[in-house]
Amino acid sequence: SYVLTQPPSLSVAPGQTATIFCQGSNIGGKSVHWHQQRPGQAPVLVIFNDRDRPSGIPERFSGSNSGNTATLTISRVEVGDEADYFCQVWDFTTDHLLFGGGTKLTVL
Amino acid sequence: QVHLLQSGAVVMYPGASVEVSCKASGYHFSGFSVHWVRQAPGQGLEWMGWINPVSGVTKFAQKFQGRVAVSTDTSINTAYLHVNGLTSDDTAVYYCARDRNNFPDYWGQGTLVTVSA
Repeated sequence: SYVLTQPPSLSVAPGQTATIFCQGSNIGGKSVHWHQQRPGQAPVLVIFNDRDRPSGIPERFSGSNSGNTATLTISRVEVGDEADYFCQVWDFTTDHLLFGGGTKLTVL
Repeated sequence: QVHLLQSGAVVMYPGASVEVSCKASGYHFSGFSVHWVRQAPGQGLEWMGWINPVSGVTKFAQKFQGRVAVSTDTSINTAYLHVNGLTSDDTAVYYCARDRNNFPDYWGQGTLVTVSA
């Protein structure tokens, strides 16, 4: 079965850039979506279709996808960006939705 | 605006069944499938399955097949998750989410189900 792998944690200072990776076999051939989950809250979609932002999501959030790695980039990181970030794809061979294990972003 | 309002937290005995509801507003309910996702304490997101409200077609992750059912009542814009044979491993926050195009775009607030004797 298809597996999405994320680093468990990442720490960045305010104002710096956070880069969160999501690895999967030929993930560049899939559409990747990213969900942010702040502590104690429900997830929120922040990037869909590799690089599109839903309305209300700051331009500081961007995405890319190529080869075996999808990337979520958060520029000028703020304390409010501290959250778990989950990548997600649709597996068309099983008609299942898949999540990566999540990356906990800590803003120092 | 799109809103998904879920039922409140519950505590269940092992072996019992639980139903979680998810009432949608702000959009045409029948036009979008609904996902169910759960999150055990301190763990990641786990997809359980989804339902098309119009056709009633469902799809479940293999580990939930036979123990989980989902349904909708389009007259009241509500989706339901039913889990049988609860064990302590089912203690989790359960989320409903609207499907946009094979991804959730709006999430409910979550329902904590605690399984304890």
